[in-house]
Amino acid sequence: QVQLQESGPGPVKPSETLSLTCTVSGGSIRNYYWNWIRQPPGKALEWIGYIYSSGSTTYSPSLKSRVTISVDTSKNQFYLRLSSVTAADTAVYFCAKSYGDYSDWFAPWGQGTLVTVSS
Amino acid sequence: EIVMTQSPATLSVSPGERATLSCRASQSVRGNLAWYQQKPGQAPRLLIYGASARATGIPARFSGSGSGTEFTLTISSLQSEDFAVYYCQQYNNWPPYTFGQGTKLEIK
Repeated sequence: QVQLQESGPGPVKPSETLSLTCTVSGGSIRNYYWNWIRQPPGKALEWIGYIYSSGSTTYSPSLKSRVTISVDTSKNQFYLRLSSVTAADTAVYFCAKSYGDYSDWFAPWGQGTLVTVSS
Repeated sequence: EIVMTQSPATLSVSPGERATLSCRASQSVRGNLAWYQQKPGQAPRLLIYGASARATGIPARFSGSGSGTEFTLTISSLQSEDFAVYYCQQYNNWPPYTFGQGTKLEIK
């Protein structure tokens, strides 16, 4: 069964760029949608955006100016870059699979990785 | 953007009893609604999609109902492992997909 695992370099300083990788195992990344979702400590879930395996993307309007999601099908990985971060971007970042065509529930999810923005 | 509102924020129920959680959308999402369970330190787990279809491996005590703007998640007989935070999510209109703020189900 498909499993997802987030990874990243750790803390990020304000104004810098947050970069994360999601590695997909147990199945192909092709022909599905791959999402980034975040959760600030003690708060609700926020969808950031998705990429289809072909490379087409859709982003949340509230983050669109700062977000880039990309994919490398040869590595079965997809990526998140969030620029000009502030403390408000401190959150657990999850990657998750969805199916498109009004089947955009999220399953499975990665375990999540906490990204702290601090000087 | 569709706003999802869950109620109550916290629900206290005794093990073995029934729990009923509500989710309201600011405009119709038809049947394009999912429910998730999240335990501390874990990722959300899909319970229900299409408003009423149970995801693979989800026990029959979990059921979903509703359409349009009003939805309900019912847990028929609470087990100890069911105490968690529950989120609804609409996927009818995007971007963005939106989640409710969550209902914390706690032991009474």
